[in-house]
Amino acid sequence: AQSVTQLDSQVPVFEEAPVELRCNYSSSVSVYLFWYVQYPNQGLQLLLKYLSGSTLVKGINGFEAEFNKSQTSFHLRKPSVHISDTAEYFCAVSGAGGGSNYKLTFGKGTLLTVNP
Amino acid sequence: DADVTQTPRNRITKTGKRIMLECSQTKGHDRMYWYRQDPGLGLRLIYYSFDVKDINKGEISDGYSVSRQAQAKFSLSLESAIPNQTALYFCATSAGVAGGETQYFGPGTRLLVL
Repeated sequence: AQSVTQLDSQVPVFEEAPVELRCNYSSSVSVYLFWYVQYPNQGLQLLLKYLSGSTLVKGINGFEAEFNKSQTSFHLRKPSVHISDTAEYFCAVSGAGGGSNYKLTFGKGTLLTVNP
Repeated sequence: DADVTQTPRNRITKTGKRIMLECSQTKGHDRMYWYRQDPGLGLRLIYYSFDVKDINKGEISDGYSVSRQAQAKFSLSLESAIPNQTALYFCATSAGVAGGETQYFGPGTRLLVL
């Protein structure tokens, strides 16, 4: 089974500042890692995902994340945030071994609030 | 039109009532999921279905049942609603057999059980 810990429940930042949302995972098998975003009153949509290959993954809206196997982390970063990035961000993990490992396990979420 | 739709979008019901939440998709995906979202708890998997004949319990299936009427339709039922089932419910779909596929979420159903 897999588990995910998002280290910050809320992150307030000012517009145009850089931001990092932290995510650590635990798994006994190889993993796939995801970041989803939920804008107010909407469903979740994929920001980016790591399946294999380059550990630096680029996603939509200028976000990127780096997979660090030794640290079991998958932190999300953006060099300059906008008001429109205000949303809740979820880190998720699934096992790469097939069967029930395909299920996504979500973290508890980080609410990013971008202030003017 | 949205690829994943959920009805109703909002529902208020009373303790003990049976209710059904419906999900339809036009993406042609085989896999469908039901999650509930509670503040501070993230999303938790209730049931999932990899095809019409394959339905599996998730981590919090007690008090819920599902029906996969067709590839495109996946319904969630609360047999006898209780107040701690008040939550935001999401349906999601995905395709693929190797894992790592993206899940596509509906807009959610906000349920209040009085």
